[in-house]
Amino acid sequence: SQQGEEDPQALSIQEGENATMNCSYKTSINNLQWYRQNSGRGLVHLILIRSNEREKHSGRLRVTLDTSKKSSSLLITASRAADTASYFCATDPTGANNLFFGTGTRLTVIP
Amino acid sequence: DAGVIQSPRHEVTEMGQEVTLRCKPISGHNSLFWYRQTMMRGLELLIYFNNNVPIDDSGMPEDRFSAKMPNASFSTLKIQPSEPRDSAVYFCASSSWGAEEKLFFGSGTQLSVL
Repeated sequence: SQQGEEDPQALSIQEGENATMNCSYKTSINNLQWYRQNSGRGLVHLILIRSNEREKHSGRLRVTLDTSKKSSSLLITASRAADTASYFCATDPTGANNLFFGTGTRLTVIP
Repeated sequence: DAGVIQSPRHEVTEMGQEVTLRCKPISGHNSLFWYRQTMMRGLELLIYFNNNVPIDDSGMPEDRFSAKMPNASFSTLKIQPSEPRDSAVYFCASSSWGAEEKLFFGSGTQLSVL
């Protein structure tokens, strides 16, 4: 399977704290993306990092990529209750946009 | 833009019945994807189309599943006959391959096969 794995499966933090989620994958990639899913809704794209990049920022999001370890991390700084959702990493092996999703991390931010 | 539109939002059917899920991608997008989400298996890519042509259907679980894209603005995923293990949330997503690398997802169809 090309599906990745995320760690932890669930994370609960206080509002204002930082949240870090990790993703490991198995095959070579063209890019890696992170998505967010609110309960009962579709996934929403957050950020993309290419295989030749090591770090990327977007607002309160920071993504790192280590292709030698086949791993990525998503950091959400200064978390808010509205950040409560499931977060998924997705790998694109060829650049054809056919993404393979990880198992997800369920984040709960306590007000 | 209205985004990716899926119908129905919820479908409850009995084992053995035919189920048809529908998807309207974002106008101008040339790639369309069908995913299935379950607690046990997570998000699985079932099939995807580029310019209305099926490119990879290796994720389709069985011959009971079929997907079509007769034109750029409509796709269907059909299960015939349905089984209880097909119960899941089915998502359609579209993208503008070659111009943009992210997927835009619909709200999904929650399928329950009794």
